[in-house]
Amino acid sequence: AQSVSQHNHHVILSEAASLELGCNYSYGGTVNLFWYVQYPGQHLQLLLKYFSGDPLVKGIKGFEAEFIKSKFSFNLRKPSVQWSDTAEYFCAVSGAGSYQLTFGKGTKLSVIP
Amino acid sequence: NAGVTQTPKFQVLKTGQSMTLQCAQDMNHEYMSWYRQDPGMGLRLIHYSVGAGITDQGEVPNGYNVSRSTTEDFPLRLLSAAPSQTSVYFCASRKIAGMETQYFGPGTRLLVL
Repeated sequence: AQSVSQHNHHVILSEAASLELGCNYSYGGTVNLFWYVQYPGQHLQLLLKYFSGDPLVKGIKGFEAEFIKSKFSFNLRKPSVQWSDTAEYFCAVSGAGSYQLTFGKGTKLSVIP
Repeated sequence: NAGVTQTPKFQVLKTGQSMTLQCAQDMNHEYMSWYRQDPGMGLRLIHYSVGAGITDQGEVPNGYNVSRSTTEDFPLRLLSAAPSQTSVYFCASRKIAGMETQYFGPGTRLLVL
């Protein structure tokens, strides 16, 4: 069975600081990888996704993620966070050809103005 | 397109009561699914469907029933509500073919007393 581990439960940063959220997955085959964001009181929105090709994936709002196959990792990065990035971030994985997503437990990001 | 819609937004039930959470999508997506979100647990898959007349269990199916009589609708039924089912419920959908994204509804917040 696949699983996703997000290393940080709660991250607190000041505006303009750089962000890196860790995500490791466990799966025995080819994977598709996703980062979703949930702003307070809202539903999940897709930040970025990786299916194949360039392992460095760029998403919306200046976010990017790098797929490192040898480390089973898909870490999310942003060079300079804003207060509006305060949200909960979820890493998710599905097997290639599968429709089911397995989510990590989420990382809550608080950005202090 | 309205996307994925869910009703109600908020519901309070007493233990033992039954209710149906509604989910509809207007994007002609074959795949639909239900998740529950609990603090510190991420999102966990309850049931899913790959088309009308086809449903299957996810990670946490106990206490929930689903049916899929049309492509558009995927209701989730709680037969006899329990306090452990207090949660936020999200419906999601996607097209099956290709490198598609799963779209989430706004959620239903359920409190079981």
